[in-house]
Amino acid sequence: GAVVSQHPSWVICKSGTSVKIECRSLDFQATTMFWYRQFPKQSLMLMATSNEGSKATYEQGVEKDKFLINHASLTLSTLTVTSAHPEDSSFYICSARSGYTYEQYFGPGTRLTVT
Amino acid sequence: KQEVTQIPAALSVPEGENLVLNCSFTDSAIYNLQWFRQDPGKGLTSLLLIQSSQREQTSGRLNASLDKSSGRSTLYIAASQPGDSATYLCAVGNSGYALNFGKGTSLLVTP
Repeated sequence: GAVVSQHPSWVICKSGTSVKIECRSLDFQATTMFWYRQFPKQSLMLMATSNEGSKATYEQGVEKDKFLINHASLTLSTLTVTSAHPEDSSFYICSARSGYTYEQYFGPGTRLTVT
Repeated sequence: KQEVTQIPAALSVPEGENLVLNCSFTDSAIYNLQWFRQDPGKGLTSLLLIQSSQREQTSGRLNASLDKSSGRSTLYIAASQPGDSATYLCAVGNSGYALNFGKGTSLLVTP
């Protein structure tokens, strides 16, 4: 089956620093990748849609200057949390959509803790 | 905006029981519906994907049905096992292919 990886799996950073999270589709090309955020005991909320070679589309309420998304290739998208604050602490999950089906394949998630 | 609701929020059953998890959605113009499993602190495991043209999908002890007109889906788990304990998420795919998630049903299967 299709595999999506995320790196790192967990990260602790100090307030004010930036953190980059990578999402890779390992065995298929993903024209579209999605970034979700999940707070404790909450469901996943879509943050942005990332299309290869174009600017990401952000959901209402998500600051595009704070959450920088780059989708430079058909197998890699990155999310950079800039000037992180404790309220950004969350579980970030990416998914990749195959160019042939509507099914999304999810990465294992990255747990970010900002101290 | 698509709203996805899952009932019940939590469920505890003894091992061996058959159970049904419910999912409802407000906009019937969907592309697909997926059921996921999430273990604590972990990512998502896709269980079943139902395309909009399909009525149900089966995988092992799992069966998911879809009724677009009424905006409902059910996940049936047969002969539950303690290893089935997890949170089950229903997600609906609309235009743009992003998924709208319900809040999940937390399942505990006791030995």
